Amino acid sequence: AQSVAQPEDQVNVAEGNPLTVKCTYSVSGNPYLFWYVQYPNRGLQFLLKYITGDNLVKGSYGFEAEFNKSQTSFHLKKPSALVSDSALYFCAVRASSRMNDMRFGAGTRLTVKP
Amino acid sequence: SAVISQKPSRDICQRGTSLTIQCQVDSQVTMMFWYRQQPGQSLTLIATANQGSEATYESGFVIDKFPISRPNLTFSTLTVSNMSPEDSSIYLCSVLDGYNEQFFGPGTRLTVL
Repeated sequence: AQSVAQPEDQVNVAEGNPLTVKCTYSVSGNPYLFWYVQYPNRGLQFLLKYITGDNLVKGSYGFEAEFNKSQTSFHLKKPSALVSDSALYFCAVRASSRMNDMRFGAGTRLTVKP
Repeated sequence: SAVISQKPSRDICQRGTSLTIQCQVDSQVTMMFWYRQQPGQSLTLIATANQGSEATYESGFVIDKFPISRPNLTFSTLTVSNMSPEDSSIYLCSVLDGYNEQFFGPGTRLTVL
């Protein structure tokens, strides 16, 4: 069965600095990897996905993530953080053979301070 | 991208009662799901809502507690039956589109007293 680990409950960065939110995964077969963001009292918003192809994936709001097969990682990054990026971020994985079984990480709360 | 709406957005219910949550999608989708997000926790899949047949439940979730309907390709309901305070959560509807992207509704915040 697939699983996701987000090793950091909380990430704090200063506005304008680069940010990284870490994610590692375990899956049988080829992984489909996703990042979602959840703002207070809102649903989940899709940020980006990796299905196949280029290991560096670009998504919404200037975020990007790099798929690293050898390290089974899919870290979320942004070159310059904004205060408005402060939110809860979830990494998720789905095996290509199991379209109805997406597993989420525990979430990482990102706080960007002015 | 699919646009998903849920009703109600929030509710406060008494122990022992039931609440039905509605999910409406703006386009026809093959796969619809219901998730639960307990306070301070991640998302857990409750079931896959199958159009025209019984839902497929994940381990730990049963039809008597969480009956689901899916009468067509754009609509589904989840009922939380005989509620207890432990059922206080956010319940999220989700759909999978033809591009392997999964979208989520805004959620229904349920508080059981």
